[in-house]
Amino acid sequence: DIQMTQSPSSLSASIGDRVTITCRASQSIRSFLNWYQQKPGKAPKLLIYAVSSLQSGVPSRFSGSGSGTDFTLTISSLQPEDFATYYCKQSYNTPRTFGQGTKVEIK
Amino acid sequence: EVQLAESGGGLVQPGGSLRLSCAASGFTFSSYWMHWVRQAPGKGLVWVSRINSDGSSTSYADSVKGRFTISRDNAKNTLYLQMNSLRADDTAVYFCARDTVTLSDAFDIWGQGTMVTVSS
Repeated sequence: DIQMTQSPSSLSASIGDRVTITCRASQSIRSFLNWYQQKPGKAPKLLIYAVSSLQSGVPSRFSGSGSGTDFTLTISSLQPEDFATYYCKQSYNTPRTFGQGTKVEIK
Repeated sequence: EVQLAESGGGLVQPGGSLRLSCAASGFTFSSYWMHWVRQAPGKGLVWVSRINSDGSSTSYADSVKGRFTISRDNAKNTLYLQMNSLRADDTAVYFCARDTVTLSDAFDIWGQGTMVTVSS
């Protein structure tokens, strides 16, 4: 199985901060990398697919980059509604595997 | 509106069974692969199972293989997860999710989740 490792596990940031979350795959997953946002008590929401493509309706302050095994989610200017947990997930093969999550909290 | 709605969760004793359903609406259900993902209380997302569009191919996480069965009824636009021999560590919110190949197999639509609690 492909292991997905996110860092950090949590972070504290202020409104307007630039936030970067990294995700590393245990083997190459080409461009089959997605990012999801989850708020407490809610279902996950797709933010980014294929490493860097923004899902419809997602604000442009979210961006993704990377290739092969190393990937990054960036929030350019953190907004109040962005406080949530973020997960990367590989869709290269089965079993699909998620990172352990990164909780973004208010500083 | 495109949506998924899970049902069938509840409290069950260890060793018991439960069948979850996921009703799809607003899209051509029979064209999409579907998945189940679960989340134990306070924990992260864990993939459980997937089924292809016509139901002829399935896959499972090792932790549920031999105990859970995924299926679908395309005429009823419904996905199922039959869960047998349930254990305490199966306690979780179970989400169904749509897999969209044009989005690099991302899960673009999720249900609201249904809670399964395995306890005596």
